[in-house]
Amino acid sequence: NAGVTQTPKFRVLKTGQSMTLLCAQDMNHEYMYWYRQDPGMGLRLIHYSVGEGTTAKGEVPDGYNVSRLKKQNFLLGLESAAPSQTSVYFCASSTHRDGSGNTIYFGEGSWLTVV
Amino acid sequence: AQSVAQPEDQVNVAEGNPLTVKCTYSVSGNPYLFWYVQYPNRGLQFLLKYITGDNLVKGSYGFEAEFNKSQTSFHLKKPSALVSDSALYFCAVRDMGSNYQLIWGAGTKLIIKP
Repeated sequence: NAGVTQTPKFRVLKTGQSMTLLCAQDMNHEYMYWYRQDPGMGLRLIHYSVGEGTTAKGEVPDGYNVSRLKKQNFLLGLESAAPSQTSVYFCASSTHRDGSGNTIYFGEGSWLTVV
Repeated sequence: AQSVAQPEDQVNVAEGNPLTVKCTYSVSGNPYLFWYVQYPNRGLQFLLKYITGDNLVKGSYGFEAEFNKSQTSFHLKKPSALVSDSALYFCAVRDMGSNYQLIWGAGTKLIIKP
Protein backbone atom coordinates (compact mmCIF):
# COMPACT_ATOMS: atom_id res chain seq x y z
CA ASN A 1 0.00 0.00 0.00
CA ALA A 2 2.29 2.78 -1.24
CA GLY A 3 -0.44 5.43 -1.64
CA VAL A 4 1.29 8.81 -2.02
CA THR A 5 5.08 8.84 -1.90
CA GLN A 6 7.25 11.95 -1.67
CA THR A 7 10.98 12.27 -2.24
CA PRO A 8 13.21 13.50 -0.75
CA LYS A 9 12.03 13.50 2.82
CA PHE A 10 14.63 15.97 4.06
CA ARG A 11 16.70 18.56 2.22
CA VAL A 12 18.82 21.56 3.13
CA LEU A 13 19.33 24.14 0.40
CA LYS A 14 21.39 27.28 0.15
CA THR A 15 19.64 30.47 -0.90
CA GLY A 16 19.45 30.65 -4.67
CA GLN A 17 19.76 26.92 -5.27
CA SER A 18 17.13 25.00 -7.16
CA MET A 19 15.52 21.67 -6.44
CA THR A 20 12.61 19.46 -7.35
CA LEU A 21 10.29 17.54 -5.06
CA LEU A 22 8.79 14.43 -6.55
CA CYS A 23 5.36 13.05 -5.72
CA ALA A 24 4.07 9.72 -6.95
CA GLN A 25 0.65 8.15 -6.37
CA ASP A 26 -0.47 4.65 -7.26
CA MET A 27 -4.23 5.10 -6.80
CA ASN A 28 -4.98 6.33 -10.33
CA HIS A 29 -6.23 9.64 -8.93
CA GLU A 30 -6.99 12.47 -11.32
CA TYR A 31 -6.33 15.31 -8.88
CA MET A 32 -3.00 16.07 -7.23
CA TYR A 33 -1.94 18.89 -4.94
CA TRP A 34 1.09 20.48 -3.35
CA TYR A 35 0.62 22.13 0.04
CA ARG A 36 3.00 23.81 2.42
CA GLN A 37 2.57 23.64 6.16
CA ASP A 38 3.93 26.34 8.44
CA PRO A 39 3.51 26.58 12.21
CA GLY A 40 0.22 28.17 13.21
CA MET A 41 -0.95 28.52 9.62
CA GLY A 42 -2.41 25.17 8.68
CA LEU A 43 -2.08 24.00 5.11
CA ARG A 44 -1.82 26.36 2.17
CA LEU A 45 -2.29 25.18 -1.38
CA ILE A 46 0.64 25.97 -3.69
CA HIS A 47 -0.42 24.40 -6.99
CA TYR A 48 -2.72 21.65 -8.09
CA SER A 49 -3.50 19.52 -11.11
CA VAL A 50 -6.84 18.21 -12.36
CA GLY A 51 -5.30 15.64 -14.67
CA GLU A 52 -2.28 14.64 -16.70
CA GLY A 53 -0.77 17.61 -18.50
CA THR A 54 -2.66 20.22 -16.47
CA THR A 55 -1.59 22.52 -13.64
CA ALA A 56 -3.19 25.44 -11.83
CA LYS A 57 -2.20 27.98 -9.19
CA GLY A 58 -3.33 27.69 -5.64
CA GLU A 59 -3.22 30.15 -2.78
CA VAL A 60 0.58 30.68 -2.59
CA PRO A 61 2.14 29.84 -6.00
CA ASP A 62 4.90 32.46 -6.17
CA GLY A 63 8.41 31.01 -6.31
CA TYR A 64 7.22 27.53 -7.28
CA ASN A 65 6.59 25.70 -10.53
CA VAL A 66 4.95 22.34 -11.14
CA SER A 67 4.58 19.76 -13.85
CA ARG A 68 2.30 16.75 -14.36
CA LEU A 69 3.71 14.93 -17.37
CA LYS A 70 2.41 11.58 -16.16
CA LYS A 71 -0.83 10.95 -14.31
CA GLN A 72 0.90 9.32 -11.37
CA ASN A 73 3.57 11.99 -10.86
CA PHE A 74 3.41 15.61 -9.75
CA LEU A 75 6.67 17.57 -9.47
CA LEU A 76 7.20 20.73 -7.45
CA GLY A 77 10.16 22.90 -8.40
CA LEU A 78 11.90 25.72 -6.62
CA GLU A 79 13.95 27.66 -9.17
CA SER A 80 15.77 29.94 -6.73
CA ALA A 81 15.19 28.94 -3.13
CA ALA A 82 14.62 31.60 -0.48
CA PRO A 83 14.60 31.29 3.32
CA SER A 84 10.85 32.04 3.26
CA GLN A 85 10.40 28.71 1.50
CA THR A 86 11.61 26.81 4.55
CA SER A 87 8.60 24.65 5.31
CA VAL A 88 7.13 21.18 5.30
CA TYR A 89 5.70 20.28 1.91
CA PHE A 90 2.90 17.80 1.46
CA CYS A 91 1.73 16.21 -1.71
CA ALA A 92 -1.80 14.86 -1.87
CA SER A 93 -4.17 13.24 -4.32
CA SER A 94 -7.86 12.56 -4.70
CA THR A 95 -10.39 11.27 -7.18
CA HIS A 96 -12.13 14.65 -7.33
CA ARG A 97 -11.44 18.27 -6.35
CA ASP A 98 -10.32 18.52 -2.74
CA GLY A 99 -13.53 20.14 -1.54
CA SER A 100 -16.00 17.91 -3.30
CA GLY A 101 -16.41 15.58 -0.34
CA ASN A 102 -13.99 12.91 -1.42
CA THR A 103 -11.10 11.94 0.80
CA ILE A 104 -7.71 13.46 0.13
CA TYR A 105 -4.71 11.17 0.57
CA PHE A 106 -1.49 12.74 1.78
CA GLY A 107 2.15 11.84 1.51
CA GLU A 108 4.33 11.84 4.60
CA GLY A 109 5.87 15.22 3.92
CA SER A 110 9.17 16.71 2.78
CA TRP A 111 11.07 18.89 5.23
CA LEU A 112 12.91 21.66 3.38
CA THR A 113 15.29 24.12 5.01
CA VAL A 114 16.74 27.03 3.05
CA VAL A 115 19.77 28.66 4.65
CA ALA B 1 -14.74 35.81 3.19
CA GLN B 2 -14.66 32.09 3.73
CA SER B 3 -12.75 31.01 6.82
CA VAL B 4 -12.30 28.32 9.40
CA ALA B 5 -11.03 28.81 12.94
CA GLN B 6 -9.65 26.45 15.51
CA PRO B 7 -9.62 28.66 18.60
CA GLU B 8 -7.34 26.45 20.71
CA ASP B 9 -3.69 25.92 19.81
CA GLN B 10 -3.47 23.06 22.28
CA VAL B 11 -5.89 20.90 24.24
CA ASN B 12 -4.79 18.80 27.22
CA VAL B 13 -6.93 15.89 28.38
CA ALA B 14 -6.37 13.09 30.85
CA GLU B 15 -6.57 9.57 29.47
CA GLY B 16 -10.09 8.18 29.80
CA ASN B 17 -11.75 11.59 29.89
CA PRO B 18 -13.92 12.92 27.07
CA LEU B 19 -12.23 15.26 24.61
CA THR B 20 -13.45 18.09 22.39
CA VAL B 21 -11.49 19.92 19.71
CA LYS B 22 -13.30 23.01 18.50
CA CYS B 23 -13.85 24.27 14.97
CA THR B 24 -15.96 27.16 13.72
CA TYR B 25 -16.43 28.23 10.13
CA SER B 26 -17.73 30.94 7.89
CA VAL B 27 -18.80 30.10 4.35
CA SER B 28 -21.50 31.14 1.96
CA GLY B 29 -24.07 28.47 1.28
CA ASN B 30 -24.01 24.99 2.72
CA PRO B 31 -20.65 23.87 4.06
CA TYR B 32 -18.78 20.66 3.53
CA LEU B 33 -16.71 20.09 6.67
CA PHE B 34 -13.79 17.77 7.33
CA TRP B 35 -11.49 16.65 10.12
CA TYR B 36 -8.01 15.30 9.48
CA VAL B 37 -5.38 14.08 11.95
CA GLN B 38 -1.61 14.32 11.67
CA TYR B 39 0.59 12.09 13.78
CA PRO B 40 4.22 13.19 14.37
CA ASN B 41 6.31 13.24 11.21
CA ARG B 42 3.47 11.85 9.13
CA GLY B 43 1.04 13.13 6.54
CA LEU B 44 -2.56 14.02 7.28
CA GLN B 45 -5.14 11.25 7.53
CA PHE B 46 -8.87 11.62 6.97
CA LEU B 47 -11.04 11.22 10.09
CA LEU B 48 -14.56 12.20 9.12
CA LYS B 49 -16.67 14.59 7.10
CA TYR B 50 -20.06 16.25 7.04
CA ILE B 51 -21.72 16.70 3.68
CA THR B 52 -25.42 16.50 4.43
CA GLY B 53 -27.90 14.57 6.58
CA ASP B 54 -27.48 13.64 10.22
CA ASN B 55 -25.73 16.35 12.21
CA LEU B 56 -23.74 13.79 14.20
CA VAL B 57 -21.03 12.24 12.08
CA LYS B 58 -19.03 9.20 13.15
CA GLY B 59 -15.51 8.62 11.91
CA SER B 60 -12.34 6.65 12.39
CA TYR B 61 -10.74 5.66 15.73
CA GLY B 62 -13.96 6.34 17.71
CA PHE B 63 -14.13 10.03 16.85
CA GLU B 64 -17.32 11.87 16.05
CA ALA B 65 -18.25 15.43 15.21
CA GLU B 66 -21.42 17.44 15.51
CA PHE B 67 -22.47 19.90 12.85
CA ASN B 68 -24.27 22.88 14.39
CA LYS B 69 -25.58 25.21 11.72
CA SER B 70 -26.84 27.91 14.08
CA GLN B 71 -23.48 28.15 15.82
CA THR B 72 -21.50 27.49 12.61
CA SER B 73 -19.45 24.89 14.44
CA PHE B 74 -18.14 21.40 13.76
CA HIS B 75 -16.49 20.26 16.99
CA LEU B 76 -14.60 16.98 17.11
CA LYS B 77 -15.35 14.71 20.07
CA LYS B 78 -14.44 11.39 21.61
CA PRO B 79 -16.05 9.91 24.75
CA SER B 80 -12.86 8.43 26.21
CA ALA B 81 -9.42 9.68 25.20
CA LEU B 82 -6.42 7.43 24.58
CA VAL B 83 -2.77 8.40 24.84
CA SER B 84 -2.46 7.32 21.20
CA ASP B 85 -4.94 10.08 20.23
CA SER B 86 -2.18 12.63 20.85
CA ALA B 87 -1.67 14.34 17.52
CA LEU B 88 -2.35 17.49 15.52
CA TYR B 89 -5.95 17.87 14.35
CA PHE B 90 -7.06 19.97 11.41
CA CYS B 91 -10.52 21.17 10.51
CA ALA B 92 -11.25 22.12 6.89
CA VAL B 93 -14.20 23.61 5.06
CA ARG B 94 -15.09 23.78 1.42
CA ASP B 95 -14.89 27.19 -0.11
CA MET B 96 -17.94 27.53 -2.33
CA GLY B 97 -16.45 30.49 -4.14
CA SER B 98 -13.09 29.08 -5.15
CA ASN B 99 -13.59 26.01 -7.30
CA TYR B 100 -14.41 24.01 -4.19
CA GLN B 101 -10.93 24.45 -2.74
CA LEU B 102 -10.58 23.42 0.90
CA ILE B 103 -9.77 26.04 3.50
CA TRP B 104 -7.77 24.66 6.41
CA GLY B 105 -7.69 25.66 10.05
CA ALA B 106 -4.36 26.26 11.75
CA GLY B 107 -4.55 23.00 13.67
CA THR B 108 -5.00 22.04 17.32
CA LYS B 109 -2.42 19.99 19.16
CA LEU B 110 -4.13 17.39 21.31
CA ILE B 111 -2.14 16.01 24.23
CA ILE B 112 -3.52 13.07 26.17
CA LYS B 113 -1.80 12.52 29.50
CA PRO B 114 -1.71 9.06 31.13
